[in-house]
Amino acid sequence: GNSVTQMEGPVTLSEEAFLTINCTYTATGYPSLFWYVQYPGEGLQLLLKATKADDKGSNKGFEATYRKETTSFHLEKGSVQVSDSAVYFCALTSRNTGNQFYFGTGTSLTVIP
Amino acid sequence: GAVVSQHPSWVICKSGTSVKIECRSLDFQATTMFWYRQFPKQSLMLMATSNEGSKATYEQGVEKDKFLINHASLTLSTLTVTSAHPEDSSFYICRVYQNTEAFFGQGTRLTVV
Repeated sequence: GNSVTQMEGPVTLSEEAFLTINCTYTATGYPSLFWYVQYPGEGLQLLLKATKADDKGSNKGFEATYRKETTSFHLEKGSVQVSDSAVYFCALTSRNTGNQFYFGTGTSLTVIP
Repeated sequence: GAVVSQHPSWVICKSGTSVKIECRSLDFQATTMFWYRQFPKQSLMLMATSNEGSKATYEQGVEKDKFLINHASLTLSTLTVTSAHPEDSSFYICRVYQNTEAFFGQGTRLTVV
């Protein structure tokens, strides 16, 4: 089946610290992988995506590389800011899932000045 | 990407009343829309798939008579929480699907008092 396992939170970091949020997946076929971000009281926004193995998605200083050999899509940022405080969701979809998306449980990040 | 507008952003209602939440796809025609429920500090739970011109498909455990879904046009789906009770208080989010990506509404915070 399809599933996403995401690093438990919450995560608290100081400003300018390095961020890693782990995400691993199981999927039938060849999924596309996503990271979504949810700011307090808002819906989810696409942060970045990768559609095939070895692709690297990047946006706003965040990066994630689609690793088929380890079935992972870890989110990283070299220097976090207070404005990065949010909940981050890893997700996958594939042609085998139709329009269905599978989400991780979300990781809450708080960045303190 | 697709622009999805959800209304209202938040609503407070009395127990026993009904509340309607609208999800509009502003810039493309969505034959399918998805409704999620999100409890505090948890991931998204798919409630139902809304299909334009036909009945919605509900996930197991979701009461179709309580959560009425109507998808009367290609740009509008509505979720009506009927006879709301405090346990229905939650964050409701709609989603559309375009070119293998998911686009979300801003979410609706429902509080039943």
